[in-house]
Amino acid sequence: DIQMTQSPSSLSASVGDRVTITCRASQGISNSLAWYQQKPGKAPKLLLYAASRLESGVPSRFSGSGSGTDYTLTISSLQPEDFATYYCQQYYSTPPLTFGGGTKVEIK
Amino acid sequence: EVQLVESGGGLVQPGRSLRLSCTASGFTFGDYAMSWVRQAPGKGLEWVGFIRSKAYGGTTEYAASVKGRFTISRDDSKSIAYLQMNSLKTEDTAVYYCTRGRGYSGYVYGDYWGQGTLVTVSS
Repeated sequence: DIQMTQSPSSLSASVGDRVTITCRASQGISNSLAWYQQKPGKAPKLLLYAASRLESGVPSRFSGSGSGTDYTLTISSLQPEDFATYYCQQYYSTPPLTFGGGTKVEIK
Repeated sequence: EVQLVESGGGLVQPGRSLRLSCTASGFTFGDYAMSWVRQAPGKGLEWVGFIRSKAYGGTTEYAASVKGRFTISRDDSKSIAYLQMNSLKTEDTAVYYCTRGRGYSGYVYGDYWGQGTLVTVSS
């Protein structure tokens, strides 16, 4: 099974800050990585897939990068609506599909 | 508009069974894999399993934690995916989401999610 490790598990940031979240896979996943945003009491929402492809309708301040085992989600200028928990998920190897543990982005 | 609506959650005693449904609309249901993902209270996301589209055999895969107890099926004529949960344990308590799988075969990510249905396993 491929393990996905996200860091940090939480962070505090201010509106306008640049935020970076990292996801590390236990083996190479060839960019088969998706990122989701989840707000309290709501279902996750797809932000990016194939590591760097922006889902339709997602603001361009969200971007993804990486290769091999290491991937990054960046929010270029944090907005009030971006305070949420973010998850990565690999789909390179199945079963199982695996998620990272999540990163909670809180208001500083 | 793509919509996924889960139903069937509730309170159930340990050892009993429950069947969840995921009713889809707004897309050709039979063309997609359908996954179930759960989230225990205050915890992260856990993949439960998926069923491939008929184009990929309609076969299923499960997480080790539910294999042998849970069964996923689909009725493409009704655009419904099911999660049959048997021998439920207290640790199965979670919100259960169904997701449409984009990708191919079982190499999928969830591009649309339902609102979730809460399953509470308790005596």
